[in-house]
Amino acid sequence: AQRVTQPEKLLSVFKGAPVELKCNYSYSGSPELFWYVQYSRQRLQLLLRHISRESIKGFTADLNKGETSFHLKKPFAQEEDSAMYYCALMMDSSYKLIFGSGTRLLVRP
Amino acid sequence: DTGVSQDPRHKITKRGQNVTFRCDPISEHNRLYWYRQTLGQGPEFLTYFQNEAQLEKSRLLSDRFSAERPKGSFSTLEIQRTEQGDSAMYLCASSSGPVVGEQFFGPGTRLTVL
Repeated sequence: AQRVTQPEKLLSVFKGAPVELKCNYSYSGSPELFWYVQYSRQRLQLLLRHISRESIKGFTADLNKGETSFHLKKPFAQEEDSAMYYCALMMDSSYKLIFGSGTRLLVRP
Repeated sequence: DTGVSQDPRHKITKRGQNVTFRCDPISEHNRLYWYRQTLGQGPEFLTYFQNEAQLEKSRLLSDRFSAERPKGSFSTLEIQRTEQGDSAMYLCASSSGPVVGEQFFGPGTRLTVL
């Protein structure tokens, strides 16, 4: 069955430290992977998707099909990055998203 | 247009009662999704519509759950004979090409079943 795993429920770092939020997926087809973010008291929103290969707010994510991973990285964390981050998978046969359980990122001053 | 809206934002009901939630998507979006989120979990897909057609339903969606999108605009999600396990945040999202996978989420309806 298709699955997205985010092994860390909480990741706490100091401002300026590098950040890596882990995401692994299970899907035998050609997946599309996304990172969604939810800031405090805001709605869930798209942060980035692997197909666009862009950096958003300093975050990047590379799809590694060999390791079935899509880790989110940022070299220097900022306090405003504190939020809940969800990795999501879209299968090639559907528009629905399959979400991981999320990682809360806390960036301390 | 301020984005996807959901009504009500909160609903408290007694076990066994029926509840109905409404979602108004972004006006030009032809796809509409319902997800359920429980504490400590990510959103879990329930169903989605393309225009008025319900194209996919999760196996998690029991017979007590029904969703409609009669004119391809707003949608309703009804839960009959609610159970305590139905307590969750119910999220609605909408989308339209060209950015595949970009779904715009509403604020959610928090359901508490006593």
